[in-house]
Amino acid sequence: EDQVTQSPEALRLQEGESSSLNCSYTVSGLRGLFWYRQDPGKGPEFLFTLYSAGEEKEKERLKATLTKKESFLHITAPKPEDSATYLCAVRSNFGNEKLTFGTGTRLTIIP
Amino acid sequence: NAGVMQNPRHLVRRRGQEARLRCSPMKGHSHVYWYRQLPEEGLKFMVYLQKENIIDESGMPKERFSAEFPKEGPSILRIQQVVRGDSAAYFCASSPAIGGTNEKLFFGSGTQLSVL
Repeated sequence: EDQVTQSPEALRLQEGESSSLNCSYTVSGLRGLFWYRQDPGKGPEFLFTLYSAGEEKEKERLKATLTKKESFLHITAPKPEDSATYLCAVRSNFGNEKLTFGTGTRLTIIP
Repeated sequence: NAGVMQNPRHLVRRRGQEARLRCSPMKGHSHVYWYRQLPEEGLKFMVYLQKENIIDESGMPKERFSAEFPKEGPSILRIQQVVRGDSAAYFCASSPAIGGTNEKLFFGSGTQLSVL
């Protein structure tokens, strides 16, 4: 069974204080690892897809990286508007199209 | 180009009633997914549908829950004889196809179901 574990559960940073969020996964053949952002009362918003170890993708202050066992979401010089819950999910090569999600990291950026 | 539309946003039902949740995918999208989110838990897959076909319902409870995506109209998630444990946020997502760069899912804003 595919599993995704995210850490920490919650993270409070000062504005401008860079950090990283972790996503550890076990999957029977990784077809894709996905990062989403979710604001309170809203649905997840797509950020990145990573397909193979060593791959990196960037968008504004966010950079996602992937190894064979985990992914990191690096946040550089965050702003208050980056406050949200960040979700990691995996899709397997075998069986079906479903995404298996972690429980997320709730990020708060303090001005 | 409107995003994934879900309605209602909030639905209150008494135990034993039926709940119907609607989802209109993004224009041009033929794949629909339903997920459930409980407080402090991750999104859990329920069902994956294409037009007029259920492709994977491995995450759907065997009783009381059903889903459809007719040729015309929105996808419907139906919960019969609701119980308090059904209270959750239900999210719908859509994608244009599977494989390659079209694999990402676009989510709606969800329906918050509260069972009294």
